[in-house]
Amino acid sequence: EIVLTQSPGTLSLSPGERATLSCRASQSVSSSYLAWYQQKPGQAPRLLIYGASTRATGIPARFSGSGSGTDFTLTISRLEPEDFAVYYCQQYGSSPYTFGQGTKLEIK
Amino acid sequence: QVQLVQSGAEVKKPGSSVKVSCKASGGTFSSYAISWVRQAPGQGLEWMGGIIPIFGTANYAQKFQGRVTITADESTSTAYMELSSLRSEDTAVYYCAKGEEWGQGTLVTVSS
Repeated sequence: EIVLTQSPGTLSLSPGERATLSCRASQSVSSSYLAWYQQKPGQAPRLLIYGASTRATGIPARFSGSGSGTDFTLTISRLEPEDFAVYYCQQYGSSPYTFGQGTKLEIK
Repeated sequence: QVQLVQSGAEVKKPGSSVKVSCKASGGTFSSYAISWVRQAPGQGLEWMGGIIPIFGTANYAQKFQGRVTITADESTSTAYMELSSLRSEDTAVYYCAKGEEWGQGTLVTVSS
């Protein structure tokens, strides 16, 4: 089973700042089958990025994903108030399709 | 645009089973994978398993092997997740997901 470790656990930033979230895999994620999700309280997760770097439908350009192999990054270029939420990475290249433990992005 | 609508909240006794449905509308149902993910209160996301309806064979996380059954009915574009031998630790919101779309979630509470 591929274990995904996200860092940091909590990230405190202000609107307008740049956010960099990390997701490290215990073994290589095949074909960059890595996704990022955003989740707000009481809501279902929302797909942001798939294939490590492709934005999902309707996702603003300030969200970008990068990386390959075992190291992946989600970058939010300029934080908007609505971006403060919990973010999860998931690998779907090797069953079981595991999630990271999440990074909470909070307002500083 | 695919929309996934799940069945309503359930309260179950320990040792019993629960079956959650996920009805898809719009898009192609049979050719794309449907996953089931759960989230215990205050916790992260946990992938339970998935199915590609046209193939009919489900794939499960080892943690749930023997307790979970995922099926799909192509005639009604509905996927199902049944979890047996429920215990209090199974109290969670259960989601189905297909591509970019997620269902609204179904709260399953296990309590005596």
